[in-house]
Amino acid sequence: DAGITQSPRHKVTETGTPVTLRCHQTENHRYMYWYRQDPGHGLRLIHYSYGVKDTDKGEVSDGYSVSRSKTEDFLLTLESATSSQTSVYFCAIRGQGLAQYFGPGTRLLVL
Amino acid sequence: KNEVEQSPQNLTAQEGEFITINCSYSVGISALHWLQQHPGGGIVSLFMLSSGKKKHGRLIATINIQEKHSSLHITASHPRDSAVYICAVTGGGSQGNLIFGKGTKLSVKP
Repeated sequence: DAGITQSPRHKVTETGTPVTLRCHQTENHRYMYWYRQDPGHGLRLIHYSYGVKDTDKGEVSDGYSVSRSKTEDFLLTLESATSSQTSVYFCAIRGQGLAQYFGPGTRLLVL
Repeated sequence: KNEVEQSPQNLTAQEGEFITINCSYSVGISALHWLQQHPGGGIVSLFMLSSGKKKHGRLIATINIQEKHSSLHITASHPRDSAVYICAVTGGGSQGNLIFGKGTKLSVKP
């Protein structure tokens, strides 16, 4: 357990509304990641961070933004949610070496 | 073509059977990971390896770097092994993110 929590764990929202998902870690890891998991696609990288205020895009970043103002928090924002962003979102951290540890996930439904 | 391919996609076994899940990749890697995800559950790392073989209980993971292939074996399978098993690789870059296969759904019947 790498001390990773995600909030909220479940969310239902309407198309066009902004949504922010939070990932919180307690162990001061430098690298943090946001992935989404979809049937038929598996897990895909949205954005990642390699330090406070240092972020970069992943494979499926369109429609998403991120921020990291503190080491422990990595926020994922959907500026204007669409139905295609209905998914399960996982945060992960890079531990010792190349090991990755995942948060419990957030189920997002966009109606 | 996906950078990480797993087979089979679905696998049904009887309790006690020996199970093999295969993973092939087409990119340079720093490490290969096997992950487990139970229905509705989180993702747990089973193994991370860059060469050879690792064993943990009834689970064995092997990797052949030259052939860009890895296998996950489960000996004496049990219904509690029913889960989705995901192969993932860490690429050669510094960002350290994972590139995932689409997973193998394993169902072990009693």
